[in-house]
Amino acid sequence: DGGITQSPKYLFRKEGQNVTLSCEQNLNHDAMYWYRQDPGQGLRLIYYSQIVNDFQKGDIAEGYSVSREKKESFPLTVTSAQKNPTAFYLCASKKRTTDTQYFGPGTRLTVL
Amino acid sequence: GESVGLHLPTLSVQEGDNSIINCAYSNSASDYFIWYKQESGKGPQFIIDIRSNMDKRQGQRVTVLLNKTVKHLSLQIAATQPGDSAVYFCAENTWGSQGNLIFGKGTKLSVKP
Repeated sequence: DGGITQSPKYLFRKEGQNVTLSCEQNLNHDAMYWYRQDPGQGLRLIYYSQIVNDFQKGDIAEGYSVSREKKESFPLTVTSAQKNPTAFYLCASKKRTTDTQYFGPGTRLTVL
Repeated sequence: GESVGLHLPTLSVQEGDNSIINCAYSNSASDYFIWYKQESGKGPQFIIDIRSNMDKRQGQRVTVLLNKTVKHLSLQIAATQPGDSAVYFCAENTWGSQGNLIFGKGTKLSVKP
């Protein structure tokens, strides 16, 4: 996991509620990523940010929002518009000059 | 633990044997490939990577082979140990894709003592 932390490890949410997942890194990495993982599927990209105050939608951005106000932090908000939010969420980061992404420990979100 | 191993191809090996995990990639323009190991309930862990100008790269107990002709990548684990039990997946990165990786679905490795 290196210097990437995600919190909380487990999160429970009622339908209709927004919830924010935290991702922090102290690796001085420029780029940060959010992925969703479902059983039997590869990681799917939700949002990514190459630089502070800028971010782009990934393949499955609908129902999610992000911000990148600080280099170290890239929080993900799962909104009530996300129809099937129960999943394992992974944050990753990398240096701008390399291709290797390093992952945090993940947050398991369950909608009750 | 996290159920990331459901419905995945499974490879079962005896402790001490060598393991070979395969991955077919999709884009012939991909120039960087990486293998991750993911234990149940945890985030993926970097194992080894390789660029398209190479066809083999070795690490500690692991070797990655790249066959660009058939777009095939393999991970070899020598003297497999119980601690190697996990889901392994490959990812590819195409130059110009802004550093975004495309991930395979993974293979579950089960090591029998």
